[in-house]
Amino acid sequence: KNEVEQSPQNLTAQEGEFITINCSYSVGISALHWLQQHPGGGIVSLFMLSSGKKKHGRLIATINIQEKHSSLHITASHPRDSAVYICAVRADKLIFGTGTRLQVFP
Amino acid sequence: DTGVSQDPRHKITKRGQNVTFRCDPISEHNRLYWYRQTLGQGPEFLTYFQNEAQLEKSRLLSDRFSAERPKGSFSTLEIQRTEQGDSAMYLCASSLRGWPEAFFGQGTRLTVV
Repeated sequence: KNEVEQSPQNLTAQEGEFITINCSYSVGISALHWLQQHPGGGIVSLFMLSSGKKKHGRLIATINIQEKHSSLHITASHPRDSAVYICAVRADKLIFGTGTRLQVFP
Repeated sequence: DTGVSQDPRHKITKRGQNVTFRCDPISEHNRLYWYRQTLGQGPEFLTYFQNEAQLEKSRLLSDRFSAERPKGSFSTLEIQRTEQGDSAMYLCASSLRGWPEAFFGQGTRLTVV
């Protein structure tokens, strides 16, 4: 079993839909990252969380340390949000989830 | 400081050749990580350094792979006798020990033909 599990693996949505991506982990962590990766490979850090909730534009990330679970929400999704979203936890090293491939259609 | 930089961004090589990638972390970061990402998968841990010491190596890091960080600053990842299965994105990240935030390079995409 992977130490970091994401769901779903693939997600398609119509423009404007509310999207949720989930991440569960099984190790003790000091922080959790949500990352975005577009075709071409470059990784962009969206959020780093150690507790609570953060919001940036249409993106919201939450974490529940007791339940070892985090969610990334995208409100009013847009085709430019199409990317792979990766959850990574900071234990003694960074451990990545397998990613969620999101496609938003107009 | 412009963040974590990796060079080259793309590398195409013939099977059997050796390749070397470089990662320059953020200057004050003492931890440096290497990951490999194949198509459709999340990044897989290869190895990490604290300063110049290589603290952990994944079993994915076969004898053909070697990583160094000689002065505790930049790091190199060398793959000898490349195989087609080595084709992947090689990612570098850096952080400061004890601090949760990590920064990621843009990656080096290797294609072995």
